[in-house]
Amino acid sequence: EDKVVQSPLSLVVHEGDTVTLNCSYEVTNFRSLLWYKQEKKAPTFLFMLTSSGIEKKSGRLSSILDKKELFSILNITATQTGDSAIYLCAVLLGSRFMEYGNKLVFGAGTILRVKS
Amino acid sequence: DTEVTQTPKHLVMGMTNKKSLKCEQHMGHRAMYWYKQKAKKPPELMFVYSYEKLSINESVPSRFSPECPNSSLLNLHLHALQPEDSALYLCASSQDASLSYEQYFGPGTRLTVT
Repeated sequence: EDKVVQSPLSLVVHEGDTVTLNCSYEVTNFRSLLWYKQEKKAPTFLFMLTSSGIEKKSGRLSSILDKKELFSILNITATQTGDSAIYLCAVLLGSRFMEYGNKLVFGAGTILRVKS
Repeated sequence: DTEVTQTPKHLVMGMTNKKSLKCEQHMGHRAMYWYKQKAKKPPELMFVYSYEKLSINESVPSRFSPECPNSSLLNLHLHALQPEDSALYLCASSQDASLSYEQYFGPGTRLTVT
C-alpha cells in the first residue's frame, strides 16, 4: 500500500521562528513529490520536486527531496502569522500504463500555527 | 493564470435529490480530477480524466457519476447520496495526466447531505 507520512502533525511557533516540516514516503512508481498549503479552502501549490538534492526556493520557503532515503523537508524561515495553515505533502504516482494517468496521494498534513 | 473555478460554493441536498457540481479551467490543461476531502483529513482521489476520457476511477460508488463534456469542463453528478458523503469536493487540473505536472485545485464545493 502506498504511504505518505508527515511529521509533526501540528506545530505552534512564534513569529520569526524557522520551522522544518517532514514528509516520508513508501510508494511504488514514484514520479514526483509536491507540497501544498491549505488554508480555508483549496490547497495552493508550493513546490514540485522530482530530482534528489536540488533545493527549490520561493521567498522564505524552500524544499528538498532525498530519493535515496525517501523523504522531503519543507523549510519556512522568519515565519509570519500568514504562514498559519495546513501543509500537505503529496506524492505523484505513475501508472504502468501511461495513458491511465498519474495519481496524487496525500499525507495527513502538518497544522502550523504561527503566534504573533 | 492558474485558476480553477467550481460552482456552487455550498450545496445542501436531501438523500433523494439529484444535483451536479461543476468545475472549469481555461489553462489548456488536458487532465482533470475530482477529490473528496472530509474534515481534518487530506484530499482523496475519486476520478481522473485524461484528454476527456475517464482514466482512473478509485472504486467510487455509482451514486457519483463524473462527466467531462469538453477539455475545459468537468461535472460530478450526484444522486441518492448518503449523509456520510458530506465533504468538501475539490476539482483539480494539470497540464497532462501521464507526465509529472503539478495539479492546481479549485476552491471546492462544500456538500452537506441531509
